Amino acid sequence: NAGVTQTPKFQVLKTGQSMTLQCAQDMNHNSMYWYRQDPGMGLRLIYYSASEGTTDKGEVPNGYNVSRLNKREFSLRLESAAPSQTSVYFCASTRDRAASSYKSPLHFGNGTRLTVT
Amino acid sequence: RKEVEQDPGPFNVPEGATVAFNCTYSNSASQSFFWYRQDCRKEPKLLMSVYSSGNEDGRFTAQLNRASQYISLLIRDSKLSDSATYLCVVNPTDSWGKLQFGAGTQVVVTP
Repeated sequence: NAGVTQTPKFQVLKTGQSMTLQCAQDMNHNSMYWYRQDPGMGLRLIYYSASEGTTDKGEVPNGYNVSRLNKREFSLRLESAAPSQTSVYFCASTRDRAASSYKSPLHFGNGTRLTVT
Repeated sequence: RKEVEQDPGPFNVPEGATVAFNCTYSNSASQSFFWYRQDCRKEPKLLMSVYSSGNEDGRFTAQLNRASQYISLLIRDSKLSDSATYLCVVNPTDSWGKLQFGAGTQVVVTP
């Protein structure tokens, strides 16, 4: 099984450009998440989707939009990239709706390193 | 104040030694706790969940102290392959699906 697959692995954008980060999981998980990780800070949730057809804001949603295309896929869009969005982005999924379940830990993709100049 | 705090380290540990470190959390209502391991430039992976009574998984022991609001991780007989950053993860009961991550504690095991 591939698990959680993210594309692209690396991306460099100029300020103002747009792009979409793709994420797909093949574990039949219900919930999916987008995080960003910056040096010296814990992962911060951008958006999540409890189930197909629903999305909710996380801690740092400004400047981002998401689409839960189907149960497998959850994309993250930057409409107008800013240098402050330079980060490593991780997509993750959980089997159950509640990420607190001990039986439903987060599974992460291998990340997208984004640089905005 | 950060909601989940960890000593960033690095903890430099000779191979075969024991290392332990803590993570403090601010929300006293938090119910579930995890340790994730993150290798350099890789994704986090679940190391172990932390149960109220404490639990062990091979060389790794996790403890929860609710009164003082911290969890701990102890690694015995350290291996070179244990070198990684260990992320503390806490789920506050009033924030559904919104786990809180510490910034991580770096452990470097040396020969």
